[in-house]
Amino acid sequence: GQNIDQPTEMTATEGAIVQINCTYQTSGFNGLFWYQQHAGEAPTFLSYNVLDGLEEKGRFSSFLSRSKGYSYLLLKELQMKDSASYLCAADSNYQLIWGAGTKLIIKP
Amino acid sequence: SQTIHQWPATLVQPVGSPLSLECTVEGTSNPNLYWYRQAAGRGLQLLFYSVGIGQISSEVPQNLSASRPQDRQFILSSKKLLLSDSGFYLCAWMKESKTQYFGPGTRLLVL
Repeated sequence: GQNIDQPTEMTATEGAIVQINCTYQTSGFNGLFWYQQHAGEAPTFLSYNVLDGLEEKGRFSSFLSRSKGYSYLLLKELQMKDSASYLCAADSNYQLIWGAGTKLIIKP
Repeated sequence: SQTIHQWPATLVQPVGSPLSLECTVEGTSNPNLYWYRQAAGRGLQLLFYSVGIGQISSEVPQNLSASRPQDRQFILSSKKLLLSDSGFYLCAWMKESKTQYFGPGTRLLVL
C-alpha cells in the first residue's frame, strides 16, 4: 500500500529551530516534496528532494533518506509568519501521495 | 511567467444543486492539470487529473466529473451536490519540473 505520515501539530517558539518529520511507504518513489500552506490559502512549493542528503534554502532546509523512507523539513530562526501547515508529498509513479499536513504554531 | 486562476473564490450552494468550478492556466502550454479537494484540517485528496485536451483520469468515485475542453482550461462539475462535497477545491498545474503549482482555490459550502 501507499502511506505517508507526519505529526498533526507542533508548537515552537519565535527565533527557535523546529524539525518536521515525514515518513513514507510507496510502491514507486522519485522524490519528496514539501509545501507550506497558510490557513485559508493554497499550498506553495518549498522544496523537492530527489537525492539523499540535506538541501538548504535560506532559513529552510529539507533532508531525505531514501533507504529509510524518511524526510524532514528544518526551519531556523522561526518567525511568526512561519505559522502554517507543512505538507509532505511523495512523488510516486506520476502522482503525488500527500500527507495530512503538520500544523506549526509559533509562540512569541 | 505562469499564472493559474480559479473561480469563484467562495460558493454556497444548496444540496441537490449543480456545480461548475473553472480553472485556467496562463503562460504555458500542454500542462498536466489536477483537481484536489481538501476537507477542513485534512490533507489533499486527488479527484481528477488530465494530461491533455479531453483526457481525464478519475481517482475517486463520486458524484463529481471533470472536463478539459481547451488546453489550459479545466472544469469540475456536479449535477447534484451532496453535503459531503463541501470543502476547499484546488486546481494545480505541472510541467516538466514535476512541481505542482496551485491556484488560489474555491471554498465550497453545501447546505
